[in-house]
Amino acid sequence: EPEVTQTPSHQVTQMGQEVILRCVPISNHLYFYWYRQILGQKVEFLVSFYNNEISEKSEIFDDQFSVERPDGSNFTLKIRSTKLEDSAMYFCASSPVGSSNEKLFFGSGTQLSVL
Amino acid sequence: DQQVKQNSPSLSVQEGRISILNCDYTNSMFDYFLWYKKYPAEGPTFLISISSIKDKNEDGRFTVFLNKSAKHLSLHIVPSQPGDSAVYFCAASATNFGNEKLTFGTGTRLTIIP
Repeated sequence: EPEVTQTPSHQVTQMGQEVILRCVPISNHLYFYWYRQILGQKVEFLVSFYNNEISEKSEIFDDQFSVERPDGSNFTLKIRSTKLEDSAMYFCASSPVGSSNEKLFFGSGTQLSVL
Repeated sequence: DQQVKQNSPSLSVQEGRISILNCDYTNSMFDYFLWYKKYPAEGPTFLISISSIKDKNEDGRFTVFLNKSAKHLSLHIVPSQPGDSAVYFCAASATNFGNEKLTFGTGTRLTIIP
């Protein structure tokens, strides 16, 4: 069964450093998402992406965050200058259409630890 | 801002019995509701969904009930099996308002006791 893959599974970085989290969505999907879950809290929406542009973003997704689809397969989340509070599990997801009426397929996540 | 609430952080149920997981929401614009299941070290996986035009949706052992007037939904699993042990997230979206994002609850950890 096709799946969303995320790399790396764990990322440790120093505060103030840039990190790039990578995702390969399911190949025929058109909509891409990043969510995150801080330990012990709920899964939170960060951003959705369609047709090479952001379609929606949350208040969490400030100027320190950016997303890119550099080629036909990868979807990346960049955090320019990490803060301690960015420590979380980051989930990439994709869907074949833009409505949540179609289920999102999530990757297994990247655990980001900012020291 | 807890628009979707799962007030029970954990639930233990005997194998073979019914598991009932509850979820409340506050945003009246939500019109589509989903349940996701999450195992450790994995991403959430879709389980079942319901549109606001329905009050019940069934898929095998899983049934979701929606009470719009109470802004409440529940997931019933019957009979419960050990493999059902996981964290269950309720999620909602306002798709008729062009809002694609999912708003998740904090999750309920279900443990099925053999």
